[in-house]
Amino acid sequence: AQTVTQSQPEMSVQEAETVTLSCTYDTSESDYYLFWYKQPPSRQMILVIRQEAYKQQNATENRFSVNFQKAAKSFSLKISDSQLGDAAMYFCALYTNAGKSTFGDGTTLTVKP
Amino acid sequence: DTAVSQTPKYLVTQMGNDKSIKCEQNLGHDTMYWYKQDSKKFLKIMFSYNNKELIINETVPNRFSPKSPDKAHLNLHINSLELGDSAVYFCASSLLPGGGYTFGSGTRLTVV
Repeated sequence: AQTVTQSQPEMSVQEAETVTLSCTYDTSESDYYLFWYKQPPSRQMILVIRQEAYKQQNATENRFSVNFQKAAKSFSLKISDSQLGDAAMYFCALYTNAGKSTFGDGTTLTVKP
Repeated sequence: DTAVSQTPKYLVTQMGNDKSIKCEQNLGHDTMYWYKQDSKKFLKIMFSYNNKELIINETVPNRFSPKSPDKAHLNLHINSLELGDSAVYFCASSLLPGGGYTFGSGTRLTVV
């Protein structure tokens, strides 16, 4: 069985500052992928960033970057220069060759002006 | 051009009715999925199809039946709707294993 845990139900950040969302996971697979998805109030699920487990280099997409610690099974998301539009629910997800993604329970991010 | 489109966006229906949700993707992806998001925002996979073939069928009541007429379409039919079926249902597709999902905008189903 694979599990994904997001221990922070809610987080808040001041506009223009940096925030880190935590995610830990567990799987017996050696080959897997990790993702962060964003769900704003519009309900649309949007892929933010993707990390291949076999790559040591942390993925980066503009203001979004991850800290992937494979041995610790940790996959945190860092949002730099936070913007009001970053306010959303963020989901961490694990995909294995079993062919499905398991999602964490989500972290609601509030951005304060 | 919408990549993954679901219809309808909202569906309100009475208990016991049968309803369908349609999903189409124009991305050329081979794999399509149905996910259910409950009132607490928990996302759980229901079904997965790869090129019209069912590859994942999670523990879902038999009242839910997916149908994939071709690899661009994955519909969800629900019989004898119950109050507990109220949720947001997301269709998604992916090109490659581990490639990440492109989601539809979701269908909010309310059973009264």
